[in-house]
This record gives sequence, structure tokens and C-alpha cells, in this order.
Amino acid sequence: ILNVEQSPQSLHVQEGDSTNFTCSVPSSNFYALHWYRWETAKSPEALFVMTLNGDEKKKGRISATLNTKEGYSYLYIKGSQPEDSATYLCAQSGSNYKLTFGKGTLLTVNP
Amino acid sequence: NAGVTQTPKFQVLKTGQSMTLQCAQDMNHEYMSWYRQDPGMGLRLIHYSVGAGITDQGEVPNGYNVSRSTTEDFPLRLLSAAPSQTSVYFCASSYRATPSSYNSPLHFGNGTRLTVT
Repeated sequence: ILNVEQSPQSLHVQEGDSTNFTCSVPSSNFYALHWYRWETAKSPEALFVMTLNGDEKKKGRISATLNTKEGYSYLYIKGSQPEDSATYLCAQSGSNYKLTFGKGTLLTVNP
Repeated sequence: NAGVTQTPKFQVLKTGQSMTLQCAQDMNHEYMSWYRQDPGMGLRLIHYSVGAGITDQGEVPNGYNVSRSTTEDFPLRLLSAAPSQTSVYFCASSYRATPSSYNSPLHFGNGTRLTVT
């Protein structure tokens, strides 16, 4: 069973701040790294899927990078807005069929 | 497309009762899976399927059965409910049979909140 660690567990920022959080993944047997956004009372929604070392993905104000050699991925949010408040999950596929999730980072953006 | 549909949304069972959580997707996805979400834990994989007739165990399979008779449906059966199975259950699917594929993020249903007393 893979150990996917996310930090910090929770984060409070002010509207307009830029922020980032980390997903640490075992570097061995790496297949893919997923990021999901999970709003309260909803279901997780996919943000990015990254498979190659050095991958960078961007969607609006949110971007992510992947470093498989060092075993981490960063998620960045530029100019945080209250609607960005959510739990951000990362997950690693260490075999072709099983996705292991971290416990998430809870982001609260204060207006 | 309705996406991934889970029923029921809420369920209360007594210890020892059995029930089936339903999951259906209309996106012709190969891969389907069941996760449970518990406080302080990440989403944990119960069972998964890479196509009709093919299922396999995830991280926490004990107490649960699954079958995949069609591409669209992937029900999760609790044979004899226990209080430890109180949780929120999510069904998720992806287009390709491997979630490691470049274009295969998981699509989640809205969840089923199960309480076992």
C-alpha cells in the first residue's frame, strides 16, 4: 500500500493571497499523480492528471507541478478567492489499477 | 449524460442486515471503483473493476462484495452490516481501464452515507 502524504493538513489564507501545498509520493513504481478538488457537500472533481517527471499543468488560477525523482507534487493557487475554499486531494497510481489518496489539504479563503 | 449515479443517498442499517449500494455510469467507462471516506482518513479503495466480468480487491475489501455484469453498473454489497462499515461511500469511474492513463481522471458519484447501528 502506497503512503501518500499531503501537507499542510489545513490552511487559512486571505482573499487575494497566493498559496501552495505539497503532495509527497513514493518515487518507486510511479505511474500517475492526480489532483482533485472536493467542496463541502459535493463529490471530488478532477483537476489534473500528471504522468511525467517535470509535468506542469494549469487551469485558470490553479497550477500543478510534478517531480517524480524527488517524490513530490505542488499545487499552486494564485490570487485565492473564497470559492477556492475546499479540500484538495492528491492520489498516486502505483500500479495500473489502484489509486491511493492522501488525506487532503483543507483550504479556507477568508474574504 | 447523467455521469455517475449512486443510490441511495442515505441509508440506516441494523447490525447483521444486508444491502446493496447501486452505482451506474452512462459514459461507457471501462474502470469503476468503490471508495469509503472516514473522518481523518483518505479515500480508501474497497473494490475495483477494469471491465465487465472483471473485479478485484482494493485496500479494504473485507465485508464487501462486488460484481460487474455490465459496463454500466457496479453494485457494492454488504453481506452482514457491522458498525465499522458506517461511512460515506463513493463510486468512481474512469474512461480507460487504468487510472494511470494520461486522460483518465476519476469521475465520482455524489456518495452514499451509510449508518450501521
